[in-house]
Amino acid sequence: AQSVTQLDSHVSVSEGTPVLLRCNYSSSYSPSLFWYVQHPNKGLQLLLKYTSAATLVKGINGFEAEFKKSETSFHLTKPSAHMSDAAEYFCVVSGASGTYKYIFGTGTRLKVLA
Amino acid sequence: KAGVTQTPRYLIKTRGQQVTLSCSPISGHRSVSWYQQTPGQGLQFLFEYFSETQRNKGNFPGRFSGRQFSNSRSEMNVSTLELGDSALYLCASSLAVTENSPLHFGNGTRLTVT
Repeated sequence: AQSVTQLDSHVSVSEGTPVLLRCNYSSSYSPSLFWYVQHPNKGLQLLLKYTSAATLVKGINGFEAEFKKSETSFHLTKPSAHMSDAAEYFCVVSGASGTYKYIFGTGTRLKVLA
Repeated sequence: KAGVTQTPRYLIKTRGQQVTLSCSPISGHRSVSWYQQTPGQGLQFLFEYFSETQRNKGNFPGRFSGRQFSNSRSEMNVSTLELGDSALYLCASSLAVTENSPLHFGNGTRLTVT
C-alpha cells in the first residue's frame, strides 16, 4: 500500500533563510509525487511534481524537491524564505497504477518570521 | 484557461437540512474529486467521478453523495446535516489520463452547520 508521511507538522523560519519541509513515502512501485501549497481559505495549488524524468524537480515560486529513492524521501526546499511563503504544504503520492487515487500527507504549516 | 470553480463560496445551514455544492472543472478535465477538510481530520477523500461514473469512494456515510454530468460538472449533496459536517469542501479536477496527472483545486465551499 502507498503512504506518505510529513515529518513536521509545524516549521518556523526567519525571512531570508532556507526552507526544508520533509516528506517520506512508501510505495511498492515507482510513484508520482507532488507538493501542494494552501493559503488560508484557499484551495491547494500545485507547486511541483515528480514523474521519474529527473530526480531534482523545480517548481513555482523558487521551490524545488529532490526525489531520493534510497531514502524514500521527497523533501521540499527553498533557498530563501519570503513572508508570502507562510502557508500549509502537502506532500502527495499517487496511488497504485490504474486506481487514480492520491494519498495526502497531513500537512506542514510553515511560519515565516520577520 | 479558467480554473476550477466552486459555488457557493460560503454556506450556513441548520442541523437536519440538506445541501448541494457545485463544481465546474477545468475545460477538458473528465475527472472530478471531492475532499473534506477540517482542522481535526485534515484532508479526507470523499469520492471521485470520471465520465459520469463514480470511480473511487472514501469512507464517508451514505449521507454524502455526488454525481457528475455529461459536461463534467459535478455536484455533491449532504443530507441530514450534522454539526460535524462543518468543513471546507474542496473540489479538484484532473485529466486523469495517467497517475502523473496532477489535481487542480478550486477555492472550496465553506459549510457551517449550526
